[in-house]
Amino acid sequence: GAGVSQTPSNKVTEKGKYVELRCDPISGHTALYWYRQSLGQGPEFLIYFQGTGAADDSGLPNDRFFAVRPEGSVSTLKIQRTERGDSAVYLCASSFTGALLDTDTQYFGPGTRLTVL
Amino acid sequence: GQQLNQSPQSMFIQEGEDVSMNCTSSSIFNTWLWYKQEPGEGPVLLIALYKAGELTSNGRLTAQFGITRKDSFLNISASIPSDVGIYFCAGQRGNTGKLIFGQGTTLQVKP
Repeated sequence: GAGVSQTPSNKVTEKGKYVELRCDPISGHTALYWYRQSLGQGPEFLIYFQGTGAADDSGLPNDRFFAVRPEGSVSTLKIQRTERGDSAVYLCASSFTGALLDTDTQYFGPGTRLTVL
Repeated sequence: GQQLNQSPQSMFIQEGEDVSMNCTSSSIFNTWLWYKQEPGEGPVLLIALYKAGELTSNGRLTAQFGITRKDSFLNISASIPSDVGIYFCAGQRGNTGKLIFGQGTTLQVKP
């Protein structure tokens, strides 16, 4: 597709369960970002990939959160032992290079709404 | 947590009015960005600012990068109903790509 896609669009799970959220970036984009957006707040940075490697994971809240991008394209955000406080919209974005260039816009997907009961 | 203070939190205006919102930070950013988000969608970039003092327009939108590099404002002139949404400022430091967002300004326009 032309834009960033995320699946599923909605995920409801029970406390303590494991979830995986998928992001398909724009084709050719080497940089990929995950953000988390709580209700009424702006997105908060979680992790940034440059190619296959995590260049900055300083935003991951704890070791229950993990993300991978094994082939430098699709990325999966994994959350173990989910807690009610993990409920939020998880946004993925991609950009062409990740460098500070005039044309390096971050394009966001529609997000996955995660609800932990 | 968030490091950008965005105001106002919400605005309810009449169609045709001008709108102004701003963002301040306690620390310096190299880049300021303004995004718009509509329900069920991700944020969409409106304007990007790369130099202190820079004033940039995009149609009816105008944004400025503050001289101190700690603030930015966004103006929307002659608002129309499709301007409705949540507007976010975002700052970027260095070249990590990490964006820090404000809390958002919810704009409602009455026809």
